[in-house]
Amino acid sequence: DAGVIQSPRHEVTEMGQEVTLRCKPISGHDYLFWYRQTMMRGLELLIYFNNNVPIDDSGMPEDRFSAKMPNASFSTLKIQPSEPRDSAVYFCASSFQGGNTEAFFGQGTRLTVV
Amino acid sequence: GENVEQHPSTLSVQEGDSAVIKCTYSDSASNYFPWYKQELGKRPQLIIDIRSNVGEKKDQRIAVTLNKTAKHFSLHITETQPEDSAVYFCAASLGGSQGNLIFGKGTKLSVKP
Repeated sequence: DAGVIQSPRHEVTEMGQEVTLRCKPISGHDYLFWYRQTMMRGLELLIYFNNNVPIDDSGMPEDRFSAKMPNASFSTLKIQPSEPRDSAVYFCASSFQGGNTEAFFGQGTRLTVV
Repeated sequence: GENVEQHPSTLSVQEGDSAVIKCTYSDSASNYFPWYKQELGKRPQLIIDIRSNVGEKKDQRIAVTLNKTAKHFSLHITETQPEDSAVYFCAASLGGSQGNLIFGKGTKLSVKP
């Protein structure tokens, strides 16, 4: 398996634009996590899914953020409209059986909103 | 809610010395404690983990200890090398049926040759 795959690796966009980040988890994993990493706040859990169903989205900062998982092999994180303070590295991770096993991280998407 | 505190935030050691990073957690039902290493510009990767039924685990130069009573766990790196320089994150699972990990804020370790 190629591991967790995220795209794009880098995204630069203007304030107010819609941004969509994509993630393909490891085949067979039943949990998928979206994290945001900044210097100030570290690794923050935004939302996670179990068997494609959102379980906890309490970490999603605002209504501007939304996430979907239409099937077991694909998830998106959308920001609309984007703001400069959304600039961060966004990681997707997947695991088998959730919080009691290793989470495998993707390479991350570095988002810059200007 | 669950909280994981990690100290120190930065740590500088001389090559060959030992490094210790400590974490505390608040959820007494947590039972899985992984440690991740993140090199500059790369993804976090698991280096060692421990479960609540074990007090200590070792893998070559790294070891983790867990004190469930005090709710703290530590990462020990012996004979540090420059390639150990990275940010290290501890994490704790949420208890019950919840599926996520809560991460500490990270420790930036610098190993000077």
